[in-house]
Amino acid sequence: KNEVEQSPQNLTAQEGEFITINCSYSVGISALHWLQQHPGGGIVSLFMLSSGKKKHGRLIATINIQEKHSSLHITASHPRDSAVYICAVWGWSNQFYFGTGTSLTVIP
Amino acid sequence: KAGVTQTPRYLIKTRGQQVTLSCSPISGHRSVSWYQQTPGQGLQFLFEYFSETQRNKGNFPGRFSGRQFSNSRSEMNVSTLELGDSALYLCASSPGTAFYEQYFGPGTRLTVT
Repeated sequence: KNEVEQSPQNLTAQEGEFITINCSYSVGISALHWLQQHPGGGIVSLFMLSSGKKKHGRLIATINIQEKHSSLHITASHPRDSAVYICAVWGWSNQFYFGTGTSLTVIP
Repeated sequence: KAGVTQTPRYLIKTRGQQVTLSCSPISGHRSVSWYQQTPGQGLQFLFEYFSETQRNKGNFPGRFSGRQFSNSRSEMNVSTLELGDSALYLCASSPGTAFYEQYFGPGTRLTVT
């Protein structure tokens, strides 16, 4: 059983669309991270959350601790947003658990 | 500040050999974590070093080990390589512990033949 589940696995959107990626987890956590990985492997940390909501530019991340659920929203999507988005949680067992990722393609 | 660097970027080894990978964190960061990424298993946490001590460890066999030096640079060693060890190995540094925002290096692509 995976400790972190993401949906959808694959997502294709038209430029300008609003995008939502969901993450559910089954373990107690201290923090949740959203990561972005472009082709070629480089990973960038987008957000670290332990409660509430954070916003960076067109990206918004929310977390509901009681429901063990987080969402990553991208407003006004752009082809440069095409990447794999990975949800990761830092569990009370002091290790990271990763989702399998959501592959996003934004078409011009 | 310079980012996280990893050397080498690509490596080919033979089954049964051992390998050492290196990671230099962002200046001032005391935590270095290591991750394995494969197409089948995705990203998995190997271990975290903080101030030269292994703080946390994932579920990997003892063939995977690491260390951290006083300048925070870290090395990861895999002994008795298996075909299944072929992967992208990523390290990340953090200003605090691995709980905090991770800054990832470009990774080392290891192929075991």
